Amino acid sequence: ETGVTQSPTHLIKTRGQQVTLRCSSQSGHNTVSWYQQALGQGPQFIFQYYREEENGRGNFPPRFSGLQFPNYSSELNVNALELDDSALYLCASSLTAGAVNEQFFGPGTRLTVL
Amino acid sequence: SQKIEQNSEALNIQEGKTATLTCNYTNYSPAYLQWYRQDPGRGPVFLLLIRENEKEKRKERLKVTFDTTLKQSLFHITASQPADSATYLCALTFYGNNRLAFGKGNQVVVIP
Repeated sequence: ETGVTQSPTHLIKTRGQQVTLRCSSQSGHNTVSWYQQALGQGPQFIFQYYREEENGRGNFPPRFSGLQFPNYSSELNVNALELDDSALYLCASSLTAGAVNEQFFGPGTRLTVL
Repeated sequence: SQKIEQNSEALNIQEGKTATLTCNYTNYSPAYLQWYRQDPGRGPVFLLLIRENEKEKRKERLKVTFDTTLKQSLFHITASQPADSATYLCALTFYGNNRLAFGKGNQVVVIP
């Protein structure tokens, strides 16, 4: 059983650029949630995908968008990057939708926006 | 708006002692409360989940309590070891909501 994987590990972008982050969910899991974690803060919920549909969204602007594929892997896209987007982006998969289930987190993608 | 508060100061504790962390929340009571461990540069790892109708949950050296009157959860690590040094995050789920709302986390340093 493979765990949650994310790519890339690190990324450096400049303001205004666009970025795509990728996540492979744990085997057997159909739900993926994305979180943003700024330095010294707890993870902040961005959105959740369940069976390829968005299933809840946090307080993030529309330039944060996502996709989930038939194999339940997922992408997070961020357009028009801002300096404040610099953070660790975490993907978590769970057996099914809803936050009551244990969430299995990946190692994260460290995004730096210059 | 909902606030989830964890102590921002690191907890330094001698090996073998019990570490106790606090998670306080305001406004609405959560349906579930979870605790996660996070090591530097890594994703959080699930430790324990407790439901609103449960007072206490245990797993090996870990114990969580949940007091909906005080709006507080306590997280205990008994017989602490240097390997327990990490940041511990409290996360809440509310009825009708499918997201985890995390606190900022509380760092624990176990001194040999």
